[in-house]
Amino acid sequence: NAGVMQNPRHLVRRRGQEARLRCSPMKGHSHVYWYRQLPEEGLKFMVYLQKENIIDESGMPKERFSAEFPKEGPSILRIQQVVRGDSAAYFCASSPNRQETQYFGPGTRLLVL
Amino acid sequence: GQQVMQIPQYQHVQEGEDFTTYCNSSTTLSNIQWYKQRPGGHPVFLIQLVKSGEVKKQKRLTFQFGEAKKNSSLHITATQTTDVGTYFCAIYGQNFVFGPGTRLSVLP
Repeated sequence: NAGVMQNPRHLVRRRGQEARLRCSPMKGHSHVYWYRQLPEEGLKFMVYLQKENIIDESGMPKERFSAEFPKEGPSILRIQQVVRGDSAAYFCASSPNRQETQYFGPGTRLLVL
Repeated sequence: GQQVMQIPQYQHVQEGEDFTTYCNSSTTLSNIQWYKQRPGGHPVFLIQLVKSGEVKKQKRLTFQFGEAKKNSSLHITATQTTDVGTYFCAIYGQNFVFGPGTRLSVLP
């Protein structure tokens, strides 16, 4: 059973460009969470999605950030017009049900030049 | 929103010494989870505690859930260099909330 997959693993963008981060949950998992981690800091919750639905986006900035989890295909975290402060590691995690163990992907390390 | 504190923030130990990290919440918890993140890696689930006063062991790791279900601890006996990393506790409120983590370094 393949684990949670994220791509790309590393992403370099210039200020003003768009960043698209993809997450494929573990097989059988319909709950996806996105977290942001700054260097030497903890994990900050961004958004929680189920298939085709955003359940909780309370941790996501109101502007420039959006997330989706379509019926088919991976979950996508999209950051428009990136700024240097967006540089961080973005992890997604999946679980079979809410409140159950979360399995993390390897993360996407975004660097904004 | 619900918050969780972890202490210490950093811990440096000599290989073979013991290590403990503590996680505290102001509210009663339904459960608590512990994760480990190696430098440059991603968080990996270690264990979930559910019952008041619960104690679980994984080899040299001992996890404890307080009687009031407001705090938890992770104790490592005789640390090894492979224990290096950051240990996070996580609680479930409106969504998962991770503690700030305890960063463990082990000197050989």
